[in-house]
This record gives sequence, structure tokens and C-alpha cells, in this order.
Amino acid sequence: DQQVKQNSPSLSVQEGRISILNCDYTNSMFDYFLWYKKYPAEGPTFLISISSIKDKNEDGRFTVFLNKSAKHLSLHIVPSQPGDSAVYFCAADAGNMLTFGGGTRLMVKP
Amino acid sequence: KAGVTQTPRYLIKTRGQQVTLSCSPISGHRSVSWYQQTPGQGLQFLFEYFSETQRNKGNFPGRFSGRQFSNSRSEMNVSTLELGDSALYLCASSSGTTARGGTQYFGPGTRLLVL
Repeated sequence: DQQVKQNSPSLSVQEGRISILNCDYTNSMFDYFLWYKKYPAEGPTFLISISSIKDKNEDGRFTVFLNKSAKHLSLHIVPSQPGDSAVYFCAADAGNMLTFGGGTRLMVKP
Repeated sequence: KAGVTQTPRYLIKTRGQQVTLSCSPISGHRSVSWYQQTPGQGLQFLFEYFSETQRNKGNFPGRFSGRQFSNSRSEMNVSTLELGDSALYLCASSSGTTARGGTQYFGPGTRLLVL
């Protein structure tokens, strides 16, 4: 029973365009959401987060949108850069531990 | 400040053996969490230790265990290894009592291969 799902295992985008990564969840108790980026041979690094009391949070090129009624969140990267190529994980927190999605591999082509 | 370190980085074991992985958190961090990453399953939470006490536990069999020492270093042990235990095991440390605010810092992981 996957409570956090990333339905797209991979995404390919041209440099300079927008990357949109999606994440769906089922547990209504989740009230805090995070995105992590992972390069090969490294641990995940925190990217951006959003509380359930907000519907948008922005940090430079990265924006996370939360649609609570749809139990859906998305990460927008604008403009995409080749260095953004990595695996992106969304994670949800119900107050005691993080539940991660399966990840989406983003490839940004020059 | 040194990051989270994990040893060993790579490990090959055979079925039925047991293995111990080590994690040294960032100095001053008292919370250590362990995750298993397998292809297609993402990161699955194993357990979290805070001040030497297991505070949360994921849905893994009892073959998976851990502990935390007084200096916050943590070890996890897997007994009677199975082929399906082959994975990347990640450790994350945090200064806070929960994962909120992105305060979890991950180590590079230990890649375990069970033959």
C-alpha cells in the first residue's frame, strides 16, 4: 500500500524549459511535504518543502504546489538546467516519520 | 561541519549471513533515521532513534534491528540475510525531533549486495 506515489518514473526536458514533477498521496494525516534531489552515489538532499496550510512555496527556480483536495503536489523547475538532472523524491510527513515516493528521474538535455 | 558518514560504502554478503552497518550523524544531531532504497520502491523507512531510544519503526521484519549509542552514532543490523535485502541503506540525521523543515541530512548510503 503505497501512500505516496510518483507515477512518472522518468521525465526528459529541454534545457531552459519547465520541468514539472508530480506526486500523489492517500493519507489525509500528512500535513507537511518535502522534495529531495538525489545524485548517483550520494544521499538525497533537501530541496524545498510546503506545509498543508499553504498551497504554494517558492525558492528561486523551484516552486512546489499543493492541492489538498486532490491530494496532489507538484514541483516546478524553471528554467531547467542540465545540472538539475537527478532523481527527485517527494516525501510526506504525518508528524512522526517521512514516507517517500518511488522517485522520478529527471533528464535535462542541453 | 562534517556531514553524515556511513560505513562501509559497499558490502557483499551471502544468504543467511548477518550484517552490521554504521552511521555517524552530524555533530550535535541526536536523531538518526534509517531507510532502505530499492529500485521501484523508493525510500522505505526502517526506524528512527533519538537519544538512544527507538522512537519510530517502519514495517520491516524483526530481522532488521538497530541501536544508537550515547554519542549518537547508530548501527543497524540485518540477520539471516535474504536476496531481497540487497539495497542501498541510507542513514539521515536531524537536529530536531521530527523531519519537518527539511532538517534531515542524508549520508551517502551503504550498498549491500546479497548473493
